[in-house]
Amino acid sequence: DTGVSQDPRHKITKRGQNVTFRCDPISEHNRLYWYRQTLGQGPEFLTYFQNEAQLEKSRLLSDRFSAERPKGSFSTLEIQRTEQGDSAMYLCASSAGSTQPQHFGDGTRLSIL
Amino acid sequence: AQTVTQSQPEMSVQEAETVTLSCTYDTSENNYYLFWYKQPPSRQMILVIRQEAYKQQNATENRFSVNFQKAAKSFSLKISDSQLGDTAMYFCAFMKPGAGSYQLTFGKGTKLSVIP
Repeated sequence: DTGVSQDPRHKITKRGQNVTFRCDPISEHNRLYWYRQTLGQGPEFLTYFQNEAQLEKSRLLSDRFSAERPKGSFSTLEIQRTEQGDSAMYLCASSAGSTQPQHFGDGTRLSIL
Repeated sequence: AQTVTQSQPEMSVQEAETVTLSCTYDTSENNYYLFWYKQPPSRQMILVIRQEAYKQQNATENRFSVNFQKAAKSFSLKISDSQLGDTAMYFCAFMKPGAGSYQLTFGKGTKLSVIP
C-alpha cells in the first residue's frame, strides 16, 4: 500500500493554458474522488468515480473541467482555458468502499499567472 | 444540503496540555458519519477519527477522542497530551450515506499550534 499519489505536486501556468493532473489511487480502491481546496477553506467536492464510471459531478465543475478514469485505476483531471480563479490545491482521494475512510494524496497546487 | 461549521479559525496549546476543537453541523439526516482530518503543513490530509451517528458511544483513538452530541449537532475533538507533531490544520467533515457519492463536506478548518 503506497498511498494515493498525485502528479505533479506543483503546476504554474499562464491564464488560458490547459493543464492536466494525474491521480493514482491505492490499488484495489474502487472509489476515487477529486476535491478542490482554496486558501483558508476546507476541501470542496468536485467529482466522483466508481471504477471507471463518473457517477457524480459538483456544480463547481464547469464545462472547462473534465475528469476521466479510463480503466478504473488512475484518474486525470483536465482544466481547459485556465482562469485566475482556478488557482487552488486539487486533492485526490480513494476509498475501498462507500463508508470506508477516504485516503488523500498530497495534492497538486495550481498557480495561474 | 449539509453544512459544517468550525468556529475557531486558530487555536494554540502548550505541549502536554489538552485542547478541544469545536465543530457543529446542520443536517436533516438521521444516519451519517462524521470525521476529523488532520492536514500538517505541506503534507497530506490524514484521518484522525470517525464517528457513526447511530453509535452513541464516543469514538476514541489513542490521545484523540470526540464528544458527539447528536441532538445538538455538535462534534468536538479533544486532543490529550498535545505533542509538537499535532501542529496542523484540523478539518471536521460530514458524510451522508445512501445513494450517491458519499462525498465529504468539510468545515473551513482550525489551525492548531502546539507550543513547546
